[in-house]
Amino acid sequence: DAGITQSPRHKVTETGTPVTLRCHQTENHRYMYWYRQDPGHGLRLIHYSYGVKDTDKGEVSDGYSVSRSKTEDFLLTLESATSSQTSVYFCAISESIGMGEKLFFGSGTQLSVL
Amino acid sequence: AQSVSQHNHHVILSEAASLELGCNYSYGGTVNLFWYVQYPGQHLQLLLKYFSGDPLVKGIKGFEAEFIKSKFSFNLRKPSVQWSDTAEYFCAVNAGGNNRLAFGKGNQVVVIP
Repeated sequence: DAGITQSPRHKVTETGTPVTLRCHQTENHRYMYWYRQDPGHGLRLIHYSYGVKDTDKGEVSDGYSVSRSKTEDFLLTLESATSSQTSVYFCAISESIGMGEKLFFGSGTQLSVL
Repeated sequence: AQSVSQHNHHVILSEAASLELGCNYSYGGTVNLFWYVQYPGQHLQLLLKYFSGDPLVKGIKGFEAEFIKSKFSFNLRKPSVQWSDTAEYFCAVNAGGNNRLAFGKGNQVVVIP
């Protein structure tokens, strides 16, 4: 398995509180992604990064922000968590999807917003 | 924006039966196509992918998929399933080499021993 670590693995928080999820990779891959997985919706892209300090929005970016200050770390922040953000969050990395390279996924973070 | 459609979201079948999962996408240009599998309690892992060349792609665990450009499809098949194939299967499409991957909503497959 690719060297991807997500932390925390589980998080329970209250509505209105800030939450930060961390993704750490040891593969030196250029691209990093945050997806959320919800029943009936599959995986939806929140944000992605194509290099240090280079990020872009995905299809469900509202309420989320990201930062990538180092190649190996990609942080996802919920500024003020809402119940609709209860989900499983997956980080993924790739060398280059556009060249046919695959995504490697982390083990996921189960987030519950009460 | 690229979109991916998967049909028959819940599939229940017996061991040794054949499996076919449909995947259609909406993009007229060059595409890279993937099938991922998620076993219960695990993260997604790659089953197979199409980048170029032979449109019939063989993956792990006896799975294969055929890219039919004229039908915008990339259907997944396995001739004889096992109980261990119980999982959720996701089709994904990369369009135009933009380094983003769009996923379908998934097929939940349950194989009964």
